[in-house]
Amino acid sequence: DVKVTQSSRYLVKRTGEKVFLECVQDMDHENMFWYRQDPGLGLRLIYFSYDVKMKEKGDIPEGYSVSREKKERFSLILESASTNQTSMYLCASRGRGTGELFFGEGSRLTVL
Amino acid sequence: DQQVKQNSPSLSVQEGRISILNCDYTNSMFDYFLWYKKYPAEGPTFLISISSIKDKNEDGRFTVFLNKSAKHLSLHIVPSQPGDSAVYFCAASAKSNYQLIWGAGTKLIIKP
Repeated sequence: DVKVTQSSRYLVKRTGEKVFLECVQDMDHENMFWYRQDPGLGLRLIYFSYDVKMKEKGDIPEGYSVSREKKERFSLILESASTNQTSMYLCASRGRGTGELFFGEGSRLTVL
Repeated sequence: DQQVKQNSPSLSVQEGRISILNCDYTNSMFDYFLWYKKYPAEGPTFLISISSIKDKNEDGRFTVFLNKSAKHLSLHIVPSQPGDSAVYFCAASAKSNYQLIWGAGTKLIIKP
């Protein structure tokens, strides 16, 4: 079974703090994704990566950055958290040439 | 411009009856469609998919129907069970890039 693990299930941060969200997958997948999920808006893609050290902007990259130093690990960084970044953050991975995404359990971030 | 639309934010169905969740899309290049299920505070899990070369795919209580001419797909759950209460997301991709485009989700509530 594919396992996608997100480091923190729940976080509470203050405005202006730097936030790291870590994601690790154990299936040697090439593709990794960060989404945020907000009620009524579905899943919105923040960033994705097709390979190590490679990153591409998704639909809503503003205020975020990512890092993929190793194939199994994809990190999402909020350089200076703001209240409008309060959300559920979902990491996913996918093998090359397939459609199905495998998701982690999500990280619920609250920015005060 | 929403390329994948789930027009019903919520749906309430009696236990044992059929649940029908609908999804419309606008991009004729989409050729692969997936349904995901999401419980609160968890990541989405893959439910069922369908390729555009088919018009029906069945897996146990879950059946997905695809009507390409109408650009419409639906997920049927028969019989509905309390554990089916969740948010259901429809997603679509074009083979050219495999990027998944998501609907906003439909919250299904199964009443006892």
